[in-house]
Amino acid sequence: GAVVSQHPSWVICKSGTSVKIECRSLDFQATTMFWYRQFPKQSLMLMATSNEGSKATYEQGVEKDKFLINHASLTLSTLTVTSAHPEDSSFYICSARDAVNTEAFFGQGTRLTVV
Amino acid sequence: DAKTTQPPSMDCAEGRAANLPCNHSTISGNEYVYWYRQIHSQGPQYIIHGLKNNETNEMASLIITEDRKSSTLILPHATLRDTAVYYCIVRVGGGSNYKLTFGKGTLLTVNP
Repeated sequence: GAVVSQHPSWVICKSGTSVKIECRSLDFQATTMFWYRQFPKQSLMLMATSNEGSKATYEQGVEKDKFLINHASLTLSTLTVTSAHPEDSSFYICSARDAVNTEAFFGQGTRLTVV
Repeated sequence: DAKTTQPPSMDCAEGRAANLPCNHSTISGNEYVYWYRQIHSQGPQYIIHGLKNNETNEMASLIITEDRKSSTLILPHATLRDTAVYYCIVRVGGGSNYKLTFGKGTLLTVNP
């Protein structure tokens, strides 16, 4: 299957700082990318969907000014958590699909800890 | 949106077939059924998907009932590495409206 890579795999940051997470599709062109968040012992929650070159569409209850998503190319999307707080500590996972295939492929996830 | 219902947990003996059920009684005619699994602290892994017909690949088989209200994922010879949370998802929308919404899934534990 197609490969989606996230970086970093884990990050610890201080409260009030911003953190950027990268998501890359390594062997296909990702026309659509998705960002999820997963708290311990819970399922994945979709945060936003982004199509290359367009603004992201955020799910209800997700603050677009706090979670900045950029999808400037067909192989890269970034999620920036701005002014991070301890309650933003979570497992962030990206997913990507191309324009042809119906399945989406997931990155390995990024564990964010805000102290 | 079509919702799915899965048992919270199942056990299976190593080497035996694992049959994971999923109910999706409100599925629409053009909605696909997807299966993913998530091993602890990793991103979900795509397994298989289908619309009406049964599907098989190198990982698993997907059996969809004729009325499409339920499906079963079959791992023919479960191994310890198949222990994971398995998610049955009905794909909402197509094109730019494509979305995968995860439920709680089934924790499959494969025992030696």
